[in-house]
Amino acid sequence: AQTVTQSQPEMSVQEAETVTLSCTYDTSESDYYLFWYKQPPSRQMILVIRQEAYKQQNATENRFSVNFQKAAKSFSLKISDSQLGDAAMYFCAYRSVIQGAQKLVFGQGTRLTINP
Amino acid sequence: AAGVIQSPRHLIKEKRETATLKCYPIPRHDTVYWYQQGPGQDPQFLISFYEKMQSDKGSIPDRFSAQQFSDYHSELNMSSLELGDSALYFCASSLVGSWQYFGPGTRLTVT
Repeated sequence: AQTVTQSQPEMSVQEAETVTLSCTYDTSESDYYLFWYKQPPSRQMILVIRQEAYKQQNATENRFSVNFQKAAKSFSLKISDSQLGDAAMYFCAYRSVIQGAQKLVFGQGTRLTINP
Repeated sequence: AAGVIQSPRHLIKEKRETATLKCYPIPRHDTVYWYQQGPGQDPQFLISFYEKMQSDKGSIPDRFSAQQFSDYHSELNMSSLELGDSALYFCASSLVGSWQYFGPGTRLTVT
């Protein structure tokens, strides 16, 4: 079974600075998807960014980018120019490509605080 | 754009009662997933349906059952509720093999 680990329960960053959230995972599959979800106080799950394992190029969405290291099974999220609205719980998630087994497996989450 | 709809948004039940949570997926989405998020925890997969058939099953208690109907909406039925069932229940929908879009969740409180 796949597992996802986020070793940083909490992180904080000054507004406008850059922060990196860590995520490692374990799988025996060669193709899969990885995601970062944001959960603000409203508890809504918001997709931030996704990465297909077969793509070597790291995904980027505006101020959000990932560092995907397939061999190391590492998938970190970098948030540039942090804004107060970025404060939330961030979950790393894994999804298989196998039909019928495409549930999301989440890490424990990292609570990100933005200091003004 | 249409989103995933969940009802009710909040539900308060007593121990040993029954609860039914409903999920209306994004139009044309054929797959529905249910997740349970306890206080301070990450979401845990319960069950999924593809084209009205159960496609995968996670850590869903035997007291819970679910189904997907002909109009693709899904219901999660929870019986003999326990205090530990208090959680946020998410429904997500997708086209098979594509990204999952989450609903706003149903907050269940068992007293």
